[in-house]
Amino acid sequence: DGGITQSPKYLFRKEGQNVTLSCEQNLNHDAMYWYRQDPGQGLRLIYYSQIVNDFQKGDIAEGYSVSREKKESFPLTVTSAQKNPTAFYLCATLPGGDLYGYTFGSGTRLTVV
Amino acid sequence: AQSVAQPEDQVNVAEGNPLTVKCTYSVSGNPYLFWYVQYPNRGLQFLLKYITGDNLVKGSYGFEAEFNKSQTSFHLKKPSALVSDSALYFCAGLYTGGFKTIFGAGTRLFVKA
Repeated sequence: DGGITQSPKYLFRKEGQNVTLSCEQNLNHDAMYWYRQDPGQGLRLIYYSQIVNDFQKGDIAEGYSVSREKKESFPLTVTSAQKNPTAFYLCATLPGGDLYGYTFGSGTRLTVV
Repeated sequence: AQSVAQPEDQVNVAEGNPLTVKCTYSVSGNPYLFWYVQYPNRGLQFLLKYITGDNLVKGSYGFEAEFNKSQTSFHLKKPSALVSDSALYFCAGLYTGGFKTIFGAGTRLFVKA
């Protein structure tokens, strides 16, 4: 949605496999976030990054890793250590101030097969 | 602990009737409050926010929300519901001094023709 591109839209992972979800933005926003959405649980924060080359763990970071080498890009890797990765993953951005509300991507649905 | 609660999993209204989706918050300090809407297999879209000032906030698609400090509520309202308003609605709070947004679990709105 808007200036955030998440790919792929659907992703299937085999047991023991690492997979990487892409998030690219052209909004020139400083902060980027990864959320996981499960039915009835709302959104839970996985990782966030407020500036390039820096990122922080959120509430459920175990089994996930990220990088922020460019302002535009914030990929999320779901590792084999994440035992229950089936979920809808949302990338979001904020401009420099937190008071504007998030802009969200259209999401990636990850399924373990 | 800071929290945002949406007490109803689902709200059903008839088209043309007013709708209310409830949200309460628990906070120390002054909250910044937001409403987002999510359509199936899509990211969340920003609807409106309360930062300070007038307690009645107007947003996108004819929605409005009323901030009530004494009741610690931020209910979403619309005078006349449309079938196209059927979606999942999230309330969220960002607390002064905080670094991340807290989301409610979501309320599914069904508008029947």
